[in-house]
Amino acid sequence: GQSLEQPSEVTAVEGAIVQINCTYQTSGFYGLSWYQQHDGGAPTFLSYNALDGLEETGRFSSFLSRSDSYGYLLLQELQMKDSASYFCAVRDTGSQGNLIFGKGTKLSVKP
Amino acid sequence: DSGVTQTPKHLITATGQRVTLRCSPRSGDLSVYWYQQSLDQGLQFLIQYYNGEERAKGNILERFSAQQFPDLHSELNLSSLELGDSALYFCASTPGRVQETQYFGPGTRLLVL
Repeated sequence: GQSLEQPSEVTAVEGAIVQINCTYQTSGFYGLSWYQQHDGGAPTFLSYNALDGLEETGRFSSFLSRSDSYGYLLLQELQMKDSASYFCAVRDTGSQGNLIFGKGTKLSVKP
Repeated sequence: DSGVTQTPKHLITATGQRVTLRCSPRSGDLSVYWYQQSLDQGLQFLIQYYNGEERAKGNILERFSAQQFPDLHSELNLSSLELGDSALYFCASTPGRVQETQYFGPGTRLLVL
């Protein structure tokens, strides 16, 4: 089977940097995705890593280590609007290539 | 706005009833995915349709069914509803069969009383 582990909650202050980790166990692996979801809203795509290394998109970066089955999302210069849940997801060969989502990390940004 | 639409936004019904949720994908997208999100749970993949054909099944109950019509909109039918079916139901769409960037609709919040 497949599983993804990420912390349930993280709290940080405005302007700070926060890292949300994700470890995964899958029968096969294509890549790791990250989605953001505000309370009551729809998930929105943030990033995708298929290869090892760091991908940067503005204030957000995502990292993958395939050998460690590990990735993280790095949020810099935190803003209040970044308060949301963040989900990692894998496209697993065992699920006909469909996304399997982690349970999400609720990020609270304090002033 | 992702371009994916879902109706209705909210639905309140009673146990044992049947409801239909509707999803229209982004223009040009051929794949539609349905997800269930319960309180404190992540997104549970239910089913995927590609160009009218069922492509993949996840943790979908036998009481639930879906279809995709020739105009590519999709409907998720939930029957013999139970209290535990109360959840947010999202659909998402992608241009191709499998892609990491899924575009999610605003969801339908279902409350079964």
